[in-house]
Amino acid sequence: DQQVKQNSPSLSVQEGRISILNCDYTNSMFDYFLWYKKYPAEGPTFLISISSIKDKNEDGRFTVFLNKSAKHLSLHIVPSQPGDSAVYFCAASAYTGANSKLTFGKGITLSVRP
Amino acid sequence: ETGVTQSPTHLIKTRGQQVTLRCSSQSGHNTVSWYQQALGQGPQFIFQYYREEENGRGNFPPRFSGLQFPNYSSELNVNALELDDSALYLCASSSPRVGGYTFGSGTRLTVV
Repeated sequence: DQQVKQNSPSLSVQEGRISILNCDYTNSMFDYFLWYKKYPAEGPTFLISISSIKDKNEDGRFTVFLNKSAKHLSLHIVPSQPGDSAVYFCAASAYTGANSKLTFGKGITLSVRP
Repeated sequence: ETGVTQSPTHLIKTRGQQVTLRCSSQSGHNTVSWYQQALGQGPQFIFQYYREEENGRGNFPPRFSGLQFPNYSSELNVNALELDDSALYLCASSSPRVGGYTFGSGTRLTVV
């Protein structure tokens, strides 16, 4: 039973345009959400997070939106750059402590075309 | 500040054998978590160690075991390897004071 779902396996976007990566979750206990980026042969790198008390968090070109009632979050990257091409994982945890277990989705492969 | 280091980077083992994977945590981090990432899947939580004791475990059988040492480095041991154990094994360190996880680059285990 997958508690974090990233239903689109891949996304291709033109450089300079917006990339929107979606994520759904089923566990109502999740209250902290994170996005990780992964290049081949490297470990996941933290990108941005959001607590369930917020509906939006922004960091430079990256914005995460959270819709708790729909159990849905999305990552917006604007403008997209070729260096953003990577696998993006959505992750969730049941509390915000640093030692909390993360539940990951399967990932979305983003390709940004020059 | 050094990051999380994992060794070896690649490993091939035969079904039924045992394997030990190693992880050095980031400086200042006292918690280590291990994740298994099968091909085409997201990382799955195996277990976590905090102050040398297991502090949470995912849905993995007892043949997956671990250790954490006084310097906060950690080992993941897998006994009686099965073909389905072939995966990327990721180590992540964290600290309650700092927050957030830092992942290593992983160990690619292939069981034949």
